[in-house]
Amino acid sequence: KAGVTQTPRYLIKTRGQQVTLSCSPISGHRSVSWYQQTPGQGLQFLFEYFSETQRNKGNFPGRFSGRQFSNSRSEMNVSTLELGDSALYLCASSSNSYEQYFGPGTRLTVT
Amino acid sequence: KQEVTQIPAALSVPEGENLVLNCSFTDSAIYNLQWFRQDPGKGLTSLLLIQSSQREQTSGRLNASLDKSSGRSTLYIAASQPGDSATYLCAVGATDSWGKLQFGAGTQVVVTP
Repeated sequence: KAGVTQTPRYLIKTRGQQVTLSCSPISGHRSVSWYQQTPGQGLQFLFEYFSETQRNKGNFPGRFSGRQFSNSRSEMNVSTLELGDSALYLCASSSNSYEQYFGPGTRLTVT
Repeated sequence: KQEVTQIPAALSVPEGENLVLNCSFTDSAIYNLQWFRQDPGKGLTSLLLIQSSQREQTSGRLNASLDKSSGRSTLYIAASQPGDSATYLCAVGATDSWGKLQFGAGTQVVVTP
């Protein structure tokens, strides 16, 4: 079975721009969670989607948004990028919101 | 608010020695606890999942225990190898929080040949 895939793997953006990251879960998994990882804050939960519905949300500003499609693929969007948004963005999929399997991440650099 | 702590932050051991990694959490109302490994710049690899009703899980050289009442979990890695060098993270899932894992800061392990 193929693992969780994330695209793109690396991204460089300028302050003020917006960005969209994509995550394809393991086949059959309907839950997708997103996390931000930075050296200072560690791993922080952004949001979780299940069957195209956001079920849970972390403490991030409204500039961070996401969605999930009928095939369980998920995207997250960050608008009006700030330098502090530079991070490794990880998505994880789960068949039952229990054991989570992570993708390789998207490294976002904001200049 | 759940807080997850991992001590020590870093650990260096000679090859062959057993590794003991600690994780503590403040709220015992957890659904499960998961241990991960992360190599530099990479994603997380799931090592072991312990449900709240379980006391331990084993996979090969890895064994993880869970004591909910004291808010502790321990990951044991037997006969460490240089390939075990990585950052190890524990994360807890709450009973009322869909899809959210609360992570510790991790323990960075170096196994020297």
